[in-house]
Amino acid sequence: DTGVSQDPRHKITKRGQNVTFRCDPISEHNRLYWYRQTLGQGPEFLTYFQNEAQLEKSRLLSDRFSAERPKGSFSTLEIQRTEQGDSAMYLCASSRLAGEDGYTFGSGTRLTVV
Amino acid sequence: AQSVTQLGSHVSVSEGALVLLRCNYSSSVPPYLFWYVQYPNQGLQLLLKYTTGATLVKGINGFEAEFKKSETSFHLTKPSAHMSDAAEYFCAVSPTGANSKLTFGKGITLSVRP
Repeated sequence: DTGVSQDPRHKITKRGQNVTFRCDPISEHNRLYWYRQTLGQGPEFLTYFQNEAQLEKSRLLSDRFSAERPKGSFSTLEIQRTEQGDSAMYLCASSRLAGEDGYTFGSGTRLTVV
Repeated sequence: AQSVTQLGSHVSVSEGALVLLRCNYSSSVPPYLFWYVQYPNQGLQLLLKYTTGATLVKGINGFEAEFKKSETSFHLTKPSAHMSDAAEYFCAVSPTGANSKLTFGKGITLSVRP
C-alpha cells in the first residue's frame, strides 16, 4: 500500500493556460474522488468515479473542468482557460466501494493562477 | 442532504489541557461520521470514524469522539494536548449506502501553547 499519489505537488500557471493534474489511488480501491480546498475552508466535493465510470459531478465543476479515469486506475483532472479563482488545493482521495472505511487522501496539488 | 457545522474557527489550549472540538451534523439518512487532521501543505489524515455500533470511537494519537444521535453531534476530544496536535481539524459526514461522498465542515485550527 503506497498510498494515494498526486502529481505535481505545486503548479503555478498564467491565467488562461490549461493545466492537468494526476492522481494514482490505492490499487484495490474502486472509488476515486476529487475535492477542491480553498484557504480557510473545508474540502468541497468536485466529482467521483467508480472504476472508470464518472458517477457524479458537483455544480462547482464548470465546463472548464474535466476529469477522466480511463482504465479505472489513475485519474486526471484538467482545467482549461484557468482563472485566478481556480487557485486552490486540489485533493484526490480513494476508497473501497462503500466508503465505510473512510477515504485515503493524497497530499494534494496546490494550484496558483497568476 | 448532509451538512456539517464546526463552531468557531480557532481553538487554543495549553499543553496538557483537554482538547474539545465541536461538530454538529445534519443528515437525511443515518450518517457515517469522520474526523480528519491536516498539517500545513499536506493532505488529510483520518483520525477516527463512526459507522455503526459503539458510539464512543477511539482514534489515533489519543483522540476519541462520541456519536450522539439525539444531539446530532460528534465532538472530538483528547484528554491532554501535545504540541504536535497543533493542526487543522475537519469533521465530515457521508450518507450510508452507495453514494459515499464526504461533506466537510469548515475546519477548526487548534493551537497548543507551551
